[in-house]
Amino acid sequence: EAGVVQSPRYKIIEKKQPVAFWCNPISGHNTLYWYRQNLGQGPELLIRYENEEAVDDSQLPKDRFSAERLKGVDSTLKIQPAELGDSAVYLCASSLSRGRAETFNEQFFGPGTRLTVL
Amino acid sequence: SQQGEEDPQALSIQEGENATMNCSYKTSINNLQWYRQNSGRGLVHLILIRSNEREKHSGRLRVTLDTSKKSSSLLITASRAADTASYFCATDRYGANSKLTFGKGITLSVRP
Repeated sequence: EAGVVQSPRYKIIEKKQPVAFWCNPISGHNTLYWYRQNLGQGPELLIRYENEEAVDDSQLPKDRFSAERLKGVDSTLKIQPAELGDSAVYLCASSLSRGRAETFNEQFFGPGTRLTVL
Repeated sequence: SQQGEEDPQALSIQEGENATMNCSYKTSINNLQWYRQNSGRGLVHLILIRSNEREKHSGRLRVTLDTSKKSSSLLITASRAADTASYFCATDRYGANSKLTFGKGITLSVRP
């Protein structure tokens, strides 16, 4: 079974440029997450989708970040314009839905996209 | 802000020794999970322990949870060089608006 796929693996851009990241979750996983991981830190949630619906985007800097998950499968995270402080690893993860118990299940992570903003 | 805080920040041991890593958190939790991250890769789930559980085992891993002390420990027995990685604890709270919150991680080095 294929894992979570992300592309690109690496991206170097100049500040003020736009950038987009793509994620394909594990088949059958309705829940999709985007995290940002700064050097020496743990991942921090940016947005969580349940199917097509963004159910938690409270940590997403909406002035420059946007995300979409059309058809409830693949997802794209965009930054426009990028700033120096956006340099980080962007991780996508997927899991089975929380269900009525509202329990977070095991999350499966992709390899991430390392973004460098110059 | 980060819910879990791991201790120590870095740990270096000899192959074959046991490694114990601790995680403390501030508020009541629903579940606690441990993840491993090898250099330059995504995170891999190791084990999940629910708030009503006290101990779980998975292969060479043993996780304990003490809700009265708001702490958890991850024990890796008979460590191997391949266990060299960063280890993160992650917690979630009850409620529809909860999210999984990760600590800063522990860097484990296992010397061959």
